[in-house]
This record gives sequence, structure tokens and C-alpha cells, in this order.
Amino acid sequence: GQSLEQPSEVTAVEGAIVQINCTYQTSGFYGLSWYQQHDGGAPTFLSYNALDGLEETGRFSSFLSRSDSYGYLLLQELQMKDSASYFCAVPYTGTASKLTFGTGTRLQVTL
Amino acid sequence: DAGVIQSPRHEVTEMGQEVTLRCKPISGHNSLFWYRQTMMRGLELLIYFNNNVPIDDSGMPEDRFSAKMPNASFSTLKIQPSEPRDSAVYFCASTSGIDSYNEQFFGPGTRLTVL
Repeated sequence: GQSLEQPSEVTAVEGAIVQINCTYQTSGFYGLSWYQQHDGGAPTFLSYNALDGLEETGRFSSFLSRSDSYGYLLLQELQMKDSASYFCAVPYTGTASKLTFGTGTRLQVTL
Repeated sequence: DAGVIQSPRHEVTEMGQEVTLRCKPISGHNSLFWYRQTMMRGLELLIYFNNNVPIDDSGMPEDRFSAKMPNASFSTLKIQPSEPRDSAVYFCASTSGIDSYNEQFFGPGTRLTVL
């Protein structure tokens, strides 16, 4: 089956940099996705990594190491609005479209 | 585009009643997913459709749950009879492809409370 591990909570100061880690176990790996969810809101897509390395999109970057079954989301210049839950996700074995989500990391940005 | 539309946004019902949740995917998207989110179990995939056809319903918890997609612009998730443990937020999501790199667009969710 599939499993993903993320820290349950992370706290950081406004303006700082924070890294949210994700380790996964799956077979037939296609790629690692990241989603953001604010309290009371819906998950929204942030990024997708299929190949090793760092992908940058504005203040957010995502990294993947397939050999280590590990990835992380890097948030720079933190803002209060970044306070949310962040989920990593991988496809179910044998299918490219059906995703398993991690349990999520709740990020609290403080002043 | 208005995004994925779900109704109702909130539903409070009594145990034993039938509940029907509705979803309108983004026009042109050919894959639709139903998820359930709870504090205990996180975000779980219940069922997904591709081109209106159910592809995998292995996540549907039991026979009380059923889902249909009669056409490309409408899907329903029905619970009959409902139980208190079904209380959760139910999300519908759609995407334009069948690959995991395709961004899934989530609707606002239906918060279901079964008393």
C-alpha cells in the first residue's frame, strides 16, 4: 500500500523560512504533489514533482529525491496568510490519477 | 469558470435519513473525485470517475454509500441510511486528465452533521 509521513505541526515567525518534510512509501511512483488547505477551506494545488530536484514557484519551492522517497515544501518570506495545513500526496499503486494524501502539517505563522 | 460547485454547503440530518450531496465539476474536466475529510482519518478518496464511468470505488466505506455521474456536468454522492460516524466534510474535485500531475480542483465542500 501507500503511506506518507509528515510532521503534524510547525510554527515559524513571519518573514522566516520553513521546510515541511514528507517521506513516502509506494510502488510505481509517479510524482509527489503538495496541496494547501486553510481552515474551513478546500485543498488547493501548490506543486508537483516528478523528477529529482527543486522546483520554484514564487515564495514556494518543492523538492524531491526519489532515491530517498523524500520530498519537502519550502516556504520563504513567510506571511500570516501562509498559516494553513499542507498535504503531500502520491498516486496509489497501479494508477496515476488516484491520490493518497498525507495527514497534513499544520503551519502556524506568528508575529 | 466558477470552479467546482457543491451543494449543499452544510447539511444537518438525523440518523437514518437519506443524504444526497451534489457536485458540478469544472466544464471540460473528465475526471471527478469524491473525498471525505475528518480529523481522525484525514482526507480519504471515496470514489472516482473518468468520462462519467466509475473507475474505482474501493474507498466507499460500505453499501450505505453510493455515487453516480449521469453526465459530464453532474455527480451525486448518496448516503442511505446516514449514521453519526458519517459526519465529515465531503469534497468533490475534478481534473482535466488522468495523471497525477494534473492539478485537482476541489469544490468548497459539504459539511455533513448526522445527529
